[in-house]
Amino acid sequence: KNEVEQSPQNLTAQEGEFITINCSYSVGISALHWLQQHPGGGIVSLFMLSSGKKKHGRLIATINIQEKHSSLHITASHPRDSAVYICAASNNNDMRFGAGTRLTVKP
Amino acid sequence: NAGVMQNPRHLVRRRGQEARLRCSPMKGHSHVYWYRQLPEEGLKFMVYLQKENIIDESGMPKERFSAEFPKEGPSILRIQQVVRGDSAAYFCASSPTADNSPLHFGNGTRLTVT
Repeated sequence: KNEVEQSPQNLTAQEGEFITINCSYSVGISALHWLQQHPGGGIVSLFMLSSGKKKHGRLIATINIQEKHSSLHITASHPRDSAVYICAASNNNDMRFGAGTRLTVKP
Repeated sequence: NAGVMQNPRHLVRRRGQEARLRCSPMKGHSHVYWYRQLPEEGLKFMVYLQKENIIDESGMPKERFSAEFPKEGPSILRIQQVVRGDSAAYFCASSPTADNSPLHFGNGTRLTVT
């Protein structure tokens, strides 16, 4: 069993839909990261959180420390949101990555 | 304020050759991390460096791989005598401090071993 599990593995949505990507982890963490990997391969850090909830534009990330679970939500999805979203659990220098969720948003 | 710069973007090497991947961290960042993404697999930690020091190399293969981050110049990930299994995307990330600062990633170097 992976230390960081994401679901779903693949997700196809229509433009405008509300999207949720889930992440469960089994390791102790000091922070939970959400990353976005574009089709061209570059990686962008979206959120780093250790408790509660963070919002940036149409993106919202939440974490429940007791349940070891985090979610990434995208409101009013758009085709440009199509990418691979990666959850990563860090404990100081040690970072463990989920396998990623491939999101495709169709116009 | 340039982001994390990695070069080359694409690198093709024949089996047995050496590959050198460079990473210039963001200005003011003294912590560098290297990650490898094998085809159809997730990212895996390789090594964490500060200026002139290797802090954690637990994710790096013991043979053929080495990394450095000299006082001046970029961090270098060096792979000697490359094999086909080394073909992957290698990402570098930097942060200003070690204590859970957000990471800034480069665009990666895609290594293809023929």
